[in-house]
Amino acid sequence: AQKITQTQPGMFVQEKEAVTLDCTYDTSDPSYGLFWYKQPSSGEMIFLIYQGSYDQQNATEGRYSLNFQKARKSANLVISASQLGDSAMYFCAIGSGGYNKLIFGAGTRLAVHP
Amino acid sequence: GAVVSQHPSRVICKSGTSVKIECRSLDFQATTMFWYRQFPKKSLMLMATSNEGSKATYEQGVEKDKFLINHASLTLSTLTVTSAHPEDSSFYICSARGTSGPLAYNEQFFGPGTRLTVL
Repeated sequence: AQKITQTQPGMFVQEKEAVTLDCTYDTSDPSYGLFWYKQPSSGEMIFLIYQGSYDQQNATEGRYSLNFQKARKSANLVISASQLGDSAMYFCAIGSGGYNKLIFGAGTRLAVHP
Repeated sequence: GAVVSQHPSRVICKSGTSVKIECRSLDFQATTMFWYRQFPKKSLMLMATSNEGSKATYEQGVEKDKFLINHASLTLSTLTVTSAHPEDSSFYICSARGTSGPLAYNEQFFGPGTRLTVL
């Protein structure tokens, strides 16, 4: 069975500062992928970043980077230079077994203050 | 990127009626689509995996006869909530799995969601 844990129900950050959203996972599959999605109040799920379990380097996509620590089973999302438009729910998810399923964490609500 | 649409975006219906929600991949073919349900301030829960040309695979605890899924073509999957009741009110989101590109077989493209309210 797979499990994703996001322990921060809510986070606050000042505009232009960096913020780290925590995500830990549990899986017995040797091959898996970790995803981060953003969900604004409109409800759409926006893909942010992906990290494969065999990737040697941490994934980066613009202002988003994934701090992947395999031994600790953590895949924290780092958002640099926060913007007001970053205020949203953020979900961490794990996929494996051909990625037929994505298991989502409970989510973290991020509020960016001016 | 790949675009997935859902229709309708909002629906309000009376208890006992059936509601059909469409999920379309607009610019790519999707042999596999997924249906999720999200309660307010909660996470997405996978309901079922929809495979083109075959029966859907339902997650444990999801009633097959309540939530009918049809994946009739490579670009369309439908979810029908039969005999809807107020407890079925929720946000339903579909996704389609990519089949090409650097994240082939990894990335799921999500539709904008359908908010169902059953009175």
